Amino acid sequence: EAGVAQSPRYKIIEKRQSVAFWCNPISGHATLYWYQQILGQGPKLLIQFQNNGVVDDSQLPKDRFSAERLKGVDSTLKIQPAKLEDSAVYLCASSLDPTYGYTFGSGTRLTVV
Amino acid sequence: SQKIEQNSEALNIQEGKTATLTCNYTNYSPAYLQWYRQDPGRGPVFLLLIRENEKEKRKERLKVTFDTTLKQSLFHITASQPADSATYLCALDDWEGAGSYQLTFGKGTKLSVIP
Repeated sequence: EAGVAQSPRYKIIEKRQSVAFWCNPISGHATLYWYQQILGQGPKLLIQFQNNGVVDDSQLPKDRFSAERLKGVDSTLKIQPAKLEDSAVYLCASSLDPTYGYTFGSGTRLTVV
Repeated sequence: SQKIEQNSEALNIQEGKTATLTCNYTNYSPAYLQWYRQDPGRGPVFLLLIRENEKEKRKERLKVTFDTTLKQSLFHITASQPADSATYLCALDDWEGAGSYQLTFGKGTKLSVIP
């Protein structure tokens, strides 16, 4: 089966600019997650969707980050305005059933200069 | 929320030996504990899941144990190979209610298998 697709793979922006990331999960996976992974750290959950509804966004910095999942399939994560500390890899994951594990995309590496 | 400790940032072992990685957690026992492998520039890849009522799970050269009394999981790779070199992440499934699970990750242990 096709994996989780993410784009772009890399992005370099200046601070205060905006950026958007796109994710296409595995077909049929109802649950979609966005994680942030700072260099040397484990992934940190930003937001979780079940179909097109938000289940948990308690760790999403809502003053600058937003995410949506239209029609319960693709999802976009946006940062506006970006700060230097947002430099990280943004990972999208999806799951059908937690007992089968989560499938991650390759991520988008964001550098804010 | 859970705090997860993978108490070795890096582990170097000789090819053919058994690598043992440790994962400790601080709060309640999770429904599931998972192990992932992450290569540079790639997303984590699911390896094994063990439930709270299971003591041990095996898959080929991999073995995971789960001790809810010690609040610890051990991850073993037997007959290690250079191709096993990667960062290994421990993750706990936290039940959030309403059918919702979330993964909380440790920082990972970078394993290097030396030929």
